[in-house]
Amino acid sequence: SQTIHQWPATLVQPVGSPLSLECTVEGTSNPNLYWYRQAAGRGLQLLFYSVGIGQISSEVPQNLSASRPQDRQFILSSKKLLLSDSGFYLCAWSGTEYEQYFGPGTRLTVT
Amino acid sequence: AQSVSQHNHHVILSEAASLELGCNYSYGGTVNLFWYVQYPGQHLQLLLKYFSGDPLVKGIKGFEAEFIKSKFSFNLRKPSVQWSDTAEYFCAAGGASKIIFGSGTRLSIRP
Repeated sequence: SQTIHQWPATLVQPVGSPLSLECTVEGTSNPNLYWYRQAAGRGLQLLFYSVGIGQISSEVPQNLSASRPQDRQFILSSKKLLLSDSGFYLCAWSGTEYEQYFGPGTRLTVT
Repeated sequence: AQSVSQHNHHVILSEAASLELGCNYSYGGTVNLFWYVQYPGQHLQLLLKYFSGDPLVKGIKGFEAEFIKSKFSFNLRKPSVQWSDTAEYFCAAGGASKIIFGSGTRLSIRP
């Protein structure tokens, strides 16, 4: 069966520091991969998605970037964090009928 | 523009009451529709999905949803809610590469 991992689970970083959040998927090949940010009362905001290695689509221009160095690995990065980057970040992969399966998430607090 | 609207931000019901959560979408082309649920402290989970065929779809835990194409709606229903249905519910619409989520409806059940 498929499993999706995210780490770290929680992270506290100072403003201006770099960021790297990692997501890996097991049990499937060539998945579509997604990064979302979830804010209370505002649903899920799609940040990036990838249909293959090295292929990244950005939905919202901001202080973040994404990379997909391997088929089942998706990384969310920033060179310099802002206070507004605080939030709950979710990684997901999509199945055969485009339904998405979510990881446990990373709670990022920028101080 | 693609969008998903959930008009009820917070719904409070007593146990055994019937539930209907509204969802309207705007999406060009063939659309797949989903309801996700997030129980307190847990991952987002797929509740049900509509891909094609019978517009009345049944999901887990006694939930169902009806796709009404003429109304661009995909409302979620349950005949009799339980305290354990307390959660946040997200409607989503999408195609092959990405899904757009609504802002979510928080459901509170009074025991």
